[in-house]
Amino acid sequence: DGGITQSPKYLFRKEGQNVTLSCEQNLNHDAMYWYRQDPGQGLRLIYYSQIVNDFQKGDIAEGYSVSREKKESFPLTVTSAQKNPTAFYLCASSPLLGATETQYFGPGTRLLVL
Amino acid sequence: QKEVEQDPGPLSVPEGAIVSLNCTYSNSAFQYFMWYRQYSRKGPELLMYTYSSGNKEDGRFTAQVDKSSKYISLFIRDSQPSDSATYLCAIRPGGTSYGKLTFGQGTILTVHP
Repeated sequence: DGGITQSPKYLFRKEGQNVTLSCEQNLNHDAMYWYRQDPGQGLRLIYYSQIVNDFQKGDIAEGYSVSREKKESFPLTVTSAQKNPTAFYLCASSPLLGATETQYFGPGTRLLVL
Repeated sequence: QKEVEQDPGPLSVPEGAIVSLNCTYSNSAFQYFMWYRQYSRKGPELLMYTYSSGNKEDGRFTAQVDKSSKYISLFIRDSQPSDSATYLCAIRPGGTSYGKLTFGQGTILTVHP
């Protein structure tokens, strides 16, 4: 089955700890995205990537980092600099940045601070 | 002013009702309009996509875009309890900013039997 997988489903972070959220897609999509969702605020873009080894900051990139070493993978690291990391994190992909195609989402990872 | 405004609700309707969900936006550069449905603790799924003013119908769902008023709507006919979810509008511009979506806050809908 084609799709986007995110792991883990739930993640707990201790103070001062970096944690990495996994996102994998087998849709052969070029572009990948990370969003953060908080209650009452919709989705906010953290980072996005158009091609391998290239990525751009979104609207709320501070305290986060990403890599794109493979087309199918786009992991997100929540660093200790992110002071309010508790949220629902969503990964998305789209076939081609610039086409009329829209984005398809994974099931999400819920991050909680201990 | 937010680029996209969406009434967060919550909205509660009886089964069979017609539901109207709405978003307004401020930037006339936005050219592509989407509606996503998100069930609790799940990722959003695309419901409707359109890029022109007017109506687009898909089964019980109709998406309406009025670019002159910067207003988009999603209508659900004969609503069912399975339609209970959060509905998100999403908009993106054309040109070089393609790919980056701007989302509304989401409207929480409950359809009760």
